Amino acid sequence: DAGITQSPRHKVTETGTPVTLRCHQTENHRYMYWYRQDPGHGLRLIHYSYGVKDTDKGEVSDGYSVSRSKTEDFLLTLESATSSQTSVYFCAISELGGGAREQYFGPGTRLTVT
Amino acid sequence: AQSVTQLGSHVSVSEGALVLLRCNYSSSVPPYLFWYVQYPNQGLQLLLKYTTGATLVKGINGFEAEFKKSETSFHLTKPSAHMSDAAEYFCAVSENNQGGKLIFGQGTELSVKP
Repeated sequence: DAGITQSPRHKVTETGTPVTLRCHQTENHRYMYWYRQDPGHGLRLIHYSYGVKDTDKGEVSDGYSVSRSKTEDFLLTLESATSSQTSVYFCAISELGGGAREQYFGPGTRLTVT
Repeated sequence: AQSVTQLGSHVSVSEGALVLLRCNYSSSVPPYLFWYVQYPNQGLQLLLKYTTGATLVKGINGFEAEFKKSETSFHLTKPSAHMSDAAEYFCAVSENNQGGKLIFGQGTELSVKP
């Protein structure tokens, strides 16, 4: 299994509070991704990173920001959580971003915003 | 824009029966295609992928998929279902030069009856 951990694994927070999710990898892969999983929508890309301090938006980026100060860590921040951000969040990594490379997924973080 | 459609959000088969999970995609260029499996409360695991070459792709756990360009399809099959195959299955598409971003289908939950 690829060395990917996510923390926390579960979190309950209140509307309006900031939340940061962490993804940590030990594979030294260049590309890292954040997805959210919701019933009926599959997984949708939030943001991704193609190197340290290099990030770009995905399909559902509104309300989220990311940072990558080290190769191994990719942080996802909800500046002011809303109930619509209740979801399961997955981090993924890929050695290269050429499209043909598969992504390896972390175990997920279940976030509930009350 | 790319999109992926999985026909049937839930498929139920008997143990030993054929498994057929349908996936159709739209892409303006030759795509890369993936099937992932998700067991309860876990992350996604790659089953198989198509990049180039042979259109019949074999994956793990006895699954295979055939890329049919004329039908824009990438259906997943397994000749004989096992109870352990019960999981959610996701089809995904990627294009080159897009940072390896994956576009997922909505997912199909496979149930296997004894």
